[in-house]
Amino acid sequence: QSALTQPPSASGSPGQSVTISCTGTSSDVGGYNFVSWYQQHPGKAPKLMIYEGSKRPSGVPDRFSGSKSGNTASLTVSGLQAEDEADYYCSSYAGSNNVVFGGGTKLTVL
Amino acid sequence: QVQLQESGPGLVKPSDTLSLTCAVSGYSISSGNWWGWFRQPPGKGLEWIGYIFYSGSTYYDPSLKSRVTMSVDTSKNQFSLKLNSVTAVDTAVYYCAKKRSGDYSFDYWGQGTLVTVSS
Repeated sequence: QSALTQPPSASGSPGQSVTISCTGTSSDVGGYNFVSWYQQHPGKAPKLMIYEGSKRPSGVPDRFSGSKSGNTASLTVSGLQAEDEADYYCSSYAGSNNVVFGGGTKLTVL
Repeated sequence: QVQLQESGPGLVKPSDTLSLTCAVSGYSISSGNWWGWFRQPPGKGLEWIGYIFYSGSTYYDPSLKSRVTMSVDTSKNQFSLKLNSVTAVDTAVYYCAKKRSGDYSFDYWGQGTLVTVSS
C-alpha cells in the first residue's frame, strides 16, 4: 500500500490555529474510521494524539482535534503553544489488517 | 503504567538477521492485546512493520513479509522481532508499541533503539 500524503511543513504563531491534512484513498482513510495522529518531538517516541479520527486519549489537550472528509483526514491544533512544535504523523487502517503512515509534517511555532 | 523497552544489538552486518526484543511492564501481554513493531530511518518517517497477538497470530507489512518473523514469550512478558537478510536500508530506529483494543492506533510506545546495518 502507498503512504498517505501529508504536507512536509506547517507553521503558525502562538495562539493561532493550524490544520494539517492527510490524504489517502477509499482503501484507507476514506474507507474506515481508523485514522490516528501521532506527535513526535526530536529524539523521542511517537505519542498518540488522536484515534478513530477524532477521539483524544486521556491527557491530550482539547486544543487538538481531528476530522475527516472523504479521503482526507485533518488534525487541527488550536491555541498554538511553543511545546506543540514537533513532527506529526497520520496513520490509517488500510484493510487486510494493514496499517499505513503518512510521510509526516513538521509543525513550526513561529 | 504500561512501559515498553526495546533491546538488542545496535550494529548488524549486511545479510545477517536483526533481532530485537520488547519487554513489557505494568501490563500482562496475555491480557489480550496486539503488540506492534515500527521503524524510522534516520531523518525519515514512521513505517509499520507488523503486529502480533499474545497467542502468536501475526500480521506483517506486505513489503517486509518475506523477511519478518515476530514471536511472543508470555512467560517473560515480552515479544520479539527478527528481520533477515538486512541491508543498509534497514538502518533505523526500531520501536515497539501496544495496539489499542478495537482500533488500529498504538497508545504506548518504547523509547526506540537505533539499529545500524554496516560491515
